Formats: sequence, structure tokens, C-alpha cells
Amino acid sequence: NAGVTQTPKFRVLKTGQSMTLLCAQDMNHEYMYWYRQDPGMGLRLIHYSVGEGTTAKGEVPDGYNVSRLKKQNFLLGLESAAPSQTSVYFCASSPLPAGDTDTQYFGPGTRLTVL
Amino acid sequence: DQQVKQNSPSLSVQEGRISILNCDYTNSMFDYFLWYKKYPAEGPTFLISISSIKDKNEDGRFTVFLNKSAKHLSLHIVPSQPGDSAVYFCAASARYGGSQGNLIFGKGTKLSVKP
Repeated sequence: NAGVTQTPKFRVLKTGQSMTLLCAQDMNHEYMYWYRQDPGMGLRLIHYSVGEGTTAKGEVPDGYNVSRLKKQNFLLGLESAAPSQTSVYFCASSPLPAGDTDTQYFGPGTRLTVL
Repeated sequence: DQQVKQNSPSLSVQEGRISILNCDYTNSMFDYFLWYKKYPAEGPTFLISISSIKDKNEDGRFTVFLNKSAKHLSLHIVPSQPGDSAVYFCAASARYGGSQGNLIFGKGTKLSVKP
């Protein structure tokens, strides 16, 4: 039982490049989330999904796209990376909405640097 | 506009003493509050929660107090241990307030417990 895993752990991009971050969970959770954490800013919600095939915008969605083609996977895409997207990205999953449960589990994070 | 505020970026406490971490919120629709703990290079992990119908919740060395009239909650750790050294995030949700049960996080407080 791996919980929530994220791939890759680290990545350096040049401005304008694209990439996809992969999140996988093996707990059969319906809800999945992508957050970013910047120094002194706490965690901010980028996009989330309430089930397979669904996605919705969070607090800071601009510049990102997501897909949830399979229940266990939630992909975060950057089509044209910008230095402002330098951050640590956390994926999370939960069986209920994150704000209605004590069982939201986070992945270890992906540290992304955009030069 | 920050809805969840942790005004102390850091706190240093001696081992064995009490640690008190504070959190203020502005949205009166928030009805569920959680504390997450985060070690470096790891994802946040759930610590303790409290519903707005309660004013106290206790779990071992951890107690969360909620003062609804002041829109303030606090996390007490007694006794503090060196292994408690981490960043603590306060989070809140409005489960029935149209935010889809998503969490709003504070910026975090870095706790250092000295031996």
C-alpha cells in the first residue's frame, strides 16, 4: 500500500517548456487535489477532481491543466512554464471532500524550478 | 485577502514545555478546522481537527481549542518533544458554504522544540 505517490520528485524546466506531473493513489479515493506551496504562502489549491472523468478549478488554476482519466491517477500539466510556477507541488487524495474528512493524504511533493 | 491567518511564522519552545500555535479566520461560514503537520521534504500529514459545534478536541498530547466568537483557534502541544519540530498548518473549510468542501490553508508556523 503505497498511498499517494508523485512523479517526478524534482524537475528543472526552461521558460516555455511543458511538462506533466503524475499523481497516483492506491486507496480508491474519489477526491484528488493538486496544491502548490510557495515560501511563506502556505498551500494553495490549483485544481481538484471529485471523481474519475471530472476536474474543477481551485484558487490558482491559471497556467495549469489537469486530467483524471483513471480514478487512481490525477495529472497536472504545464503547457508553457513560467518562472512564477517555480514551487513545490503536492498531490492529495481523500475519500470525502478534503474539508469534510480527517483522511486527506498527501504525496511527498514535486519540486519544480523554472529558469 | 487571507481567510486563514497564522501570524507567527516561527515558534521556539523548550522540550517538556507547552507549545501554543495560533490561527485566526475571517470567514464565518467555516465550520470545520484541521491542523496539519509537515516535515521537510515530506507531504503534510493530518494531526487533529475540530468541528464548529465543539470548543475543544483532545488527542493525546495535542489539544485544539476553538473560540467561534473571536474566530480563533489554537493548538496546544503538551509536553513538547524534539520530534514535534515541524511546520504546522491551520486549515478551514465551509462544508455547507459552497466551497465544495475545499480547504483553505494558513501560511504555517515553524515550531522548533529544543532539547
